[in-house]
Amino acid sequence: GQQVMQIPQYQHVQEGEDFTTYCNSSTTLSNIQWYKQRPGGHPVFLIQLVKSGEVKKQKRLTFQFGEAKKNSSLHITATQTTDVGTYFCAGWGYSGNTGKLIFGQGTTLQVKP
Amino acid sequence: SAVISQKPSRDICQRGTSLTIQCQVDSQVTMMFWYRQQPGQSLTLIATANQGSEATYESGFVIDKFPISRPNLTFSTLTVSNMSPEDSSIYLCSVENEQSTDTQYFGPGTRLTVL
Repeated sequence: GQQVMQIPQYQHVQEGEDFTTYCNSSTTLSNIQWYKQRPGGHPVFLIQLVKSGEVKKQKRLTFQFGEAKKNSSLHITATQTTDVGTYFCAGWGYSGNTGKLIFGQGTTLQVKP
Repeated sequence: SAVISQKPSRDICQRGTSLTIQCQVDSQVTMMFWYRQQPGQSLTLIATANQGSEATYESGFVIDKFPISRPNLTFSTLTVSNMSPEDSSIYLCSVENEQSTDTQYFGPGTRLTVL
């Protein structure tokens, strides 16, 4: 079945360093979404990318959708302790006529102050 | 954005028993989803619940084990039946964002421990 792979699984950075997580799908996606889950919390929607090659920014966060719509990345510039959490990409795919979100394994970010 | 509440927030249960988790949304939504998140893992979709129809279950999940009700457009329940320690997980409900379909809002989750 359709799979969404995400790397790395864990990342420890010093505050102020940059961070990137990568997401790859086994099939072409209609869109890719990113969610953040703080420790002990629930996933919170960050952004959705729909167009091939799309790039979106939210303050220090930059999201990209690949030209083939099979991969995506999230880059955080100058990390802060508030960036701690697990970042999930999720691809919207179809199983028959049913659409659903397929989540990557997540990248857990630790930031040392 | 939709505000979602879940009850209970956490529970510790004995094996062989059942637990019903409630999910309440502050607005009417067409689609509600139930996910399982095992410790340190990603989210796995259990089923999609539309009001007025039977829930659609994902591969590996069956109605006898995870019966779902969807009596109206703001409420759903998930029952974890005949529990075993392997059912220890966080169970999350989510709803579709009516303004941006395909994206979802998640409830706070129910942390279940089965002894």
